[in-house]
Amino acid sequence: AQSVTQPDIHITVSEGASLELRCNYSYGATPYLFWYVQSPGQGLQLLLKYFSGDTLVQGIKGFEAEFKRSQSSFNLRKPSVHWSDAAEYFCAVGDQAGTALIFGKGTTLSVSS
Amino acid sequence: DVKVTQSSRYLVKRTGEKVFLECVQDMDHENMFWYRQDPGLGLRLIYFSYDVKMKEKGDIPEGYSVSREKKERFSLILESASTNQTSMYLCASKAGTRSGYTFGSGTRLTVV
Repeated sequence: AQSVTQPDIHITVSEGASLELRCNYSYGATPYLFWYVQSPGQGLQLLLKYFSGDTLVQGIKGFEAEFKRSQSSFNLRKPSVHWSDAAEYFCAVGDQAGTALIFGKGTTLSVSS
Repeated sequence: DVKVTQSSRYLVKRTGEKVFLECVQDMDHENMFWYRQDPGLGLRLIYFSYDVKMKEKGDIPEGYSVSREKKERFSLILESASTNQTSMYLCASKAGTRSGYTFGSGTRLTVV
């Protein structure tokens, strides 16, 4: 079955430290991969997306993600976290047919000072 | 920027009421989606639509219906609201297969 797993429910990172949020997917077709961020009480905002080509993808707000087909992973990274990055992060997978995205259950990021 | 507008941020309805959640997008997107979001469960797809008057069931369509009479508007209908439909409802639209979603701000529905 198609699925997205975000193994970490909650992560706390010190401000200025690096961040990596994990995402693993199970998908039969060639995947399109996305990361979204949700601030409290808000809708989701697209951070970055991967369709093909360079496996390292740059997004907004200084985020990047790396697609590793052999590991079925699409981990999100940021070299230096800011307090404003505290939010919930969702990984999602889709395909070339344009079917509806499948979302992971999310990882909540807290940033400590 | 594409804008997806959900008509209400907060709603409180009584059990058994018929509830309409409205979603409007302003960029002529063909594809529109309704998800519900619950703590620990992430986003679950209720219904989606690829074109006017077309609809497809998602993973949890029971208790819901949808309407898409115009391209820009996609309505979610709770035929007879129940307390287990208390949730955050998110509408999204996208242009094509290589597009990410644009989400609305969400409607937090409480059924009492």
